[in-house]
Amino acid sequence: AQTVTQSQPEMSVQEAETVTLSCTYDTSESDYYLFWYKQPPSRQMILVIRQEAYKQQNATENRFSVNFQKAAKSFSLKISDSQLGDAAMYFCAYRGATNKLIFGTGTLLAVQP
Amino acid sequence: DTGVSQDPRHKITKRGQNVTFRCDPISEHNRLYWYRQTLGQGPEFLTYFQNEAQLEKSRLLSDRFSAERPKGSFSTLEIQRTEQGDSAMYLCASSLGPHRNTEAFFGQGTRLTVV
Repeated sequence: AQTVTQSQPEMSVQEAETVTLSCTYDTSESDYYLFWYKQPPSRQMILVIRQEAYKQQNATENRFSVNFQKAAKSFSLKISDSQLGDAAMYFCAYRGATNKLIFGTGTLLAVQP
Repeated sequence: DTGVSQDPRHKITKRGQNVTFRCDPISEHNRLYWYRQTLGQGPEFLTYFQNEAQLEKSRLLSDRFSAERPKGSFSTLEIQRTEQGDSAMYLCASSLGPHRNTEAFFGQGTRLTVV
């Protein structure tokens, strides 16, 4: 069975600084997709960034980028130039052959002004 | 389209009562997912539909839980004989298949409190 682990329950960053959220996963599949979702307080989850396992190039979306290390089964999220609106719970998620998303336990990110 | 809609947003029920939640996915999204999220945890998969067919159910979905998606449009999740352990946020998501890299759009969830 696939598992997703986020070892940082909480993180804090100063506004305009950079923060990296960690995620590791375990799978025996070779074809899968990885996602980072953001869940602001009392609001729905939204997709931040996605990575296809067969692509070696790390995905980037504006201030958000990932460091995908397939051999190490690591998928970290880097947020550059942090903004107050980035404060939220961040979930790492895996989707393999079964189509369902498997989530980690989340990292609560606080942004200090 | 206003996104994935869930109703009600909040539900308080007494233990032993039945509850039903509704999810309206984004139009033309053929896949619909139900997740359960408890405090401090990530969403846990419950079940998923492709059109009207229920393709997978988690072992978390005991026989007190049933989900339907008639005609492949909206979906309902019913919990019979609710227990305090059922208290959680129930999330619905939809996506456009068949590719697995497509974005899943989530609703705001239904928060269930069993007293």
